[in-house]
Order: sequence, then structure tokens, then C-alpha cells
Amino acid sequence: GESVGLHLPTLSVQEGDNSIINCAYSNSASDYFIWYKQESGKGPQFIIDIRSNMDKRQGQRVTVLLNKTVKHLSLQIAATQPGDSAVYFCADSEYLPSYGKLTFGQGTILTVHP
Amino acid sequence: GAVVSQHPSWVICKSGTSVKIECRSLDFQATTMFWYRQFPKQSLMLMATSNEGSKATYEQGVEKDKFLINHASLTLSTLTVTSAHPEDSSFYICSAPLAGGRYEQFFGPGTRLTVL
Repeated sequence: GESVGLHLPTLSVQEGDNSIINCAYSNSASDYFIWYKQESGKGPQFIIDIRSNMDKRQGQRVTVLLNKTVKHLSLQIAATQPGDSAVYFCADSEYLPSYGKLTFGQGTILTVHP
Repeated sequence: GAVVSQHPSWVICKSGTSVKIECRSLDFQATTMFWYRQFPKQSLMLMATSNEGSKATYEQGVEKDKFLINHASLTLSTLTVTSAHPEDSSFYICSAPLAGGRYEQFFGPGTRLTVL
């Protein structure tokens, strides 16, 4: 992702709505993309990932879309719940030589109102 | 999933002192671990890659003499913040990938460092 050290953007939704969180990345060589959820005072928690040879992947209530042409990643959360309130980060990684080395995007604060 | 722990979870120290943070992979071996720093309301920034049995690789702008990394075993990496100053106050997070060609990394719960 593109991390520029700025304060995080926010997204507020009502419980039950669908949420869409967007992310831009800059490295054309990135092969692997991940979405993480981070709750206050905790480490990032894996949500879903996608390889560069795919443009969509679905999990439980979450869908990740990848547009390599414009280097854009999105996370869709269906039927958002108050427990989904957290900061969401995208991250990307090249396969080689920096195996496992992740670049994090700036993050988005999601607030879900009951 | 695999579990990564960190100790301590938080620490407060006086300016000029050194602080050691431990990162352990509890149920898997990690030849590589990563150390990140996160300032309030900002993203995670990779500081260095910790390599078991060899020197750590530091990202540009990270002082290797200030942030000492030791990866003494396949389950433990330590980050020592030497001569800490208030600007070093941050949330330090480690992660470890599973070996075998997989990409997935497992993150520790983080260590909150406050330097007075």
C-alpha cells in the first residue's frame, strides 16, 4: 500500500449496511495482497488475501477486489456489525526477493453505529 | 492459526535507558521475523527484517545502532531500543511468516513503549 504517514481516513456506517474500504498500492511487482483488521491496542489480524492472478476473492461476509491496471484494492464487508469497528489496512508483498516483506497502506477507521 | 507473542505488552521508561522487547513464535519456527513501528493513528512502518543466525536487515532511515535486533533462535527475536528518547515512544509490532513458501504472516499483539 501507499503509506504517507498521514492521519487515517474514516468511514462511518449503520449496522447492517455494506461497507467498502479502498486502498491504493504503488508497487507493480507486488504479487500478494492482504487485508488486516486492527483493533485498538492490538496487532493486525488477517482478514482475507488475494494473489495477483485473481481479481476477486470471497470469504465469510468479506470480498476483496483487485484491479491491477490502476493498482487498486478494495474490501467489501457485508451486513456490517458493531464488532467490525476497527482500523483496516491493506498490505502488499512481492514474491521474491523480499519474501514476506509487507508494505502497509495508510489504513481506514471503520465505525459501525448500532 | 499460528501464534506470535510479545513481551512486555507495555513498558514505560526514562529517557536514556534501554528497553528490550521480545517476539516469540509459540507453535512454529520462524527463520525470519519482521519488526514494525506504528505511531498513533498511522500505519505500520517496517523497521527491519530479523534473520535467525545472521544480521538483521534495516529499512532506510532506521538506525541499526539504536534499534538492536537479535534473532538468537528459531522462535525468538528481540528488539532493543537503546538510549530511548520520547520520540521513540510508539507501538512496536513483530510478525513472523510460516515457512514453506506461504505468504501469510502472523502478527504479535504489539508492545506499547512510552519514554518519559
